[in-house]
Amino acid sequence: GEDVEQSLFLSVREGDSSVINCTYTDSSSTYLYWYKQEPGAGLQLLTYIFSNMDMKQDQRLTVLLNKKDKHLSLRIADTQTGDSAIYFCAEILGGSYIPTFGRGTSLIVHP
Amino acid sequence: EPEVTQTPSHQVTQMGQEVILRCVPISNHLYFYWYRQILGQKVEFLVSFYNNEISEKSEIFDDQFSVERPDGSNFTLKIRSTKLEDSAMYFCASSEGQGNEQFFGPGTRLTVL
Repeated sequence: GEDVEQSLFLSVREGDSSVINCTYTDSSSTYLYWYKQEPGAGLQLLTYIFSNMDMKQDQRLTVLLNKKDKHLSLRIADTQTGDSAIYFCAEILGGSYIPTFGRGTSLIVHP
Repeated sequence: EPEVTQTPSHQVTQMGQEVILRCVPISNHLYFYWYRQILGQKVEFLVSFYNNEISEKSEIFDDQFSVERPDGSNFTLKIRSTKLEDSAMYFCASSEGQGNEQFFGPGTRLTVL
């Protein structure tokens, strides 16, 4: 069955880069997502990568996918206090439209 | 910008009571979903709903749960006889189509005492 794992907390200094990691078990993933949840708000789709890609860059965000190791990462360059949130990794398996989520990584950005 | 809304933000209930969690999906969306997150655990899929019927459900979504679209705007999750382990954050989501981005509401925190 599918399983998505990510570390629970990450603390970085403002201006540094943040790297949030995620591992998944099912090799039939078609899409891998990163969602962001700010306090009091719902999960918001931040970015995604198709499983046949290795990297996707979108402004300060870089998604890296290592299919061999089933490892996904989200790098946030020049992290700001407004980036403080919970970041969820999720995968979509072939034939499904329902994301399988991890527990979420709480990113804390301090001055 | 249109958004999914959920009420209440926090619901406290006694074990054995029925609760109804309410959601207003984005108006032109056709697919609706419920997820839950028990504290410290993963966000889990409960059910998806399309064309006034359940299109997919997980093993969590047993007979104590039901969903309804009572009118053209609301989408509800009813838990018939709440248990302590139903305490969780419940998220509603909606999407235009089955494979389109799901937009999530802010969640309802359910506490069962």
